[in-house]
Amino acid sequence: DTEVTQTPKHLVMGMTNKKSLKCEQHMGHRAMYWYKQKAKKPPELMFVYSYEKLSINESVPSRFSPECPNSSLLNLHLHALQPEDSALYLCASRERGTDTQYFGPGTRLTVL
Amino acid sequence: TQLLEQSPQFLSIQEGENLTVYCNSSSVFSSLQWYRQEPGEGPVLLVTVVTGGEVKKLKRLTFQFGDARKDSSLHITAAQPGDTGLYLCAGDRGTSYGKLTFGQGTILTVHP
Repeated sequence: DTEVTQTPKHLVMGMTNKKSLKCEQHMGHRAMYWYKQKAKKPPELMFVYSYEKLSINESVPSRFSPECPNSSLLNLHLHALQPEDSALYLCASRERGTDTQYFGPGTRLTVL
Repeated sequence: TQLLEQSPQFLSIQEGENLTVYCNSSSVFSSLQWYRQEPGEGPVLLVTVVTGGEVKKLKRLTFQFGDARKDSSLHITAAQPGDTGLYLCAGDRGTSYGKLTFGQGTILTVHP
């Protein structure tokens, strides 16, 4: 099983709202990632967690706050977002040995 | 700096035609993945290549990793409308946290 799940599938929020995106994998992968993707462009790395610790923050604005409660879960907390933050947000986990990243289906975020 | 040049960016062909997508870099990758993505969905892994000179086949798709592990190609034989999508190559340079370098993507449209 190489499944990464993400909820919700779609999210519409106002600029003053607080919401969270959730990601889950049960493959035993110890590295997990958040990406942002605009239409017809490649994903852009936001955060990397390795063994539940934040390892890379690609200079992401503080209105995005990641959290890794345990080795299977990854959250992305959103607050005071801007319309330009509207995008597809992808979660991925990485398999040791092959170093292959498996992506979830994404959350389509619209900020009004 | 774009370290992985993917070409062509757009490809519009008729059903039954063959095509090749290229990813080239001056950097060496420890592994390289190819993904296919449909609008609003997450990238789906097609293949991971890790050995220089490696050739892998997946039905009508043939993937090749260059001898020096700096380049890769994806060849599709007898394309079908179901092959339509965004194709992404992504290289792992062997860093501790598995940060991927993505190509710009190839948008393939196969007309019936």
